[in-house]
Amino acid sequence: GENVEQHPSTLSVQEGDSAVIKCTYSDSASNYFPWYKQELGKRPQLIIDIRSNVGEKKDQRIAVTLNKTAKHFSLHITETQPEDSAVYFCAASIGGSSGSARQLTFGSGTQLTVLP
Amino acid sequence: GAGVSQSPSNKVTEKGKDVELRCDPISGHTALYWYRQSLGQGLEFLIYFQGNSAPDKSGLPSDRFSAERTGGSVSTLTIQRTQQEDSAVYLCASSYPTRGGAGGSYNEQFFGPGTRLTVL
Repeated sequence: GENVEQHPSTLSVQEGDSAVIKCTYSDSASNYFPWYKQELGKRPQLIIDIRSNVGEKKDQRIAVTLNKTAKHFSLHITETQPEDSAVYFCAASIGGSSGSARQLTFGSGTQLTVLP
Repeated sequence: GAGVSQSPSNKVTEKGKDVELRCDPISGHTALYWYRQSLGQGLEFLIYFQGNSAPDKSGLPSDRFSAERTGGSVSTLTIQRTQQEDSAVYLCASSYPTRGGAGGSYNEQFFGPGTRLTVL
């Protein structure tokens, strides 16, 4: 089955700096890669996702890049703010046919701390 | 609109007892997933329901775990003869499959708040 590895497990940055979190996946059939943010005691929430037919996607201060050949994808947060502090999870999924959907395989998470 | 809801929010039980956890997905979402999150860990897939198809049970850790989804909506996860290692937050998610155009579909999953299970 799919295996997703995520690094680093913890990351501290100064407010205003950039943060980068990297993930690798094992199954070349995976074609959907979401990123979730989970604040302490709260549910995971989708912040950005990318499909395998594109190499990069950006949404304001957040961007995700995908390298299908190397089977890795990364989350980039620019101009970090204290409210960005949370655990971030990457995930991978194989899209099915005929409108079916598959479960997500998650990385182990990155605790991001933005220091004021 | 209403998001995914789960009940109870917290459950404390004694080792060996059975527990039932409930998930109410977003109305109209045909796919429903159960995940388990142990303290400080990532999310571990347990089981997935898609419409009227047979569920994908490949993530269930043992035969003490089972789940059903009645009427294509509410789902119940049952853990029999609970063990201390079952202690975790159990998260439910739902999604509506979106066809990706180039073949395959991509599912944004919306999570519930979770049920924190503690087995003493």
